[in-house]
Amino acid sequence: EVQLEESGGGLVQPGGSLRLSCEASGFTFTAFWMTWVRQTPGKGLEWVANISPDGSEKNYVDSVKGRFTISRDNAKNTLYLQMNNLRADDAALYYCVRGLNHHRCWGQGALVSVSS
Amino acid sequence: DIQMTQSPSSLSASVGDRVTITCQASQDISYHLNWYQQKPGKAPKLLIYDASKLETGVTTTYSGRGSGTDFTFTISSLQPEDTAIYFCQQFHNLPRTFGPGTEVQIK
Repeated sequence: EVQLEESGGGLVQPGGSLRLSCEASGFTFTAFWMTWVRQTPGKGLEWVANISPDGSEKNYVDSVKGRFTISRDNAKNTLYLQMNNLRADDAALYYCVRGLNHHRCWGQGALVSVSS
Repeated sequence: DIQMTQSPSSLSASVGDRVTITCQASQDISYHLNWYQQKPGKAPKLLIYDASKLETGVTTTYSGRGSGTDFTFTISSLQPEDTAIYFCQQFHNLPRTFGPGTEVQIK
């Protein structure tokens, strides 16, 4: 069974940092692009970043460039999102998602709250 | 960035009704469009990819059409289990962008 399990969410103060992890199982992790998508009641679904199978290519939405870093450890079948200098508008449910174009598999989400 | 709009933002229809949601892109995206369904407390689920291809295991009461800038998603016979929010998403360019969603309810 294909599974994606996020962890690392929590409450952080503005300007703080958090690292999300996503452990993948049930498929060949090294064959797939991986993506982070976030969701808020106000802004809906927002694509955040993606990374190529070998980790050599990374893309980000403008609002997180320079603050967030996507990475992966293929030996551990794990995707990461390092989030620095967090702002109130980064608060969201962050989904780990498989694929470049067609998102067939989603995790259950990791909740990130940003508040003082 | 490519902007995606959807209409209506919500609808209420009776069981058995035919329901159509429209999605419009701010520029030509060819057939590079997906449709997702999201139920409360759950992650989105891919229903239609490449504008009109039905995802494996998804009911044939769902269909998608369109290319360029204008797309539609149709439920041919609305059932109670179709209550959900439906999103379109373009994958023509980065960043990928989603429509704001259409909430479908049973009357």
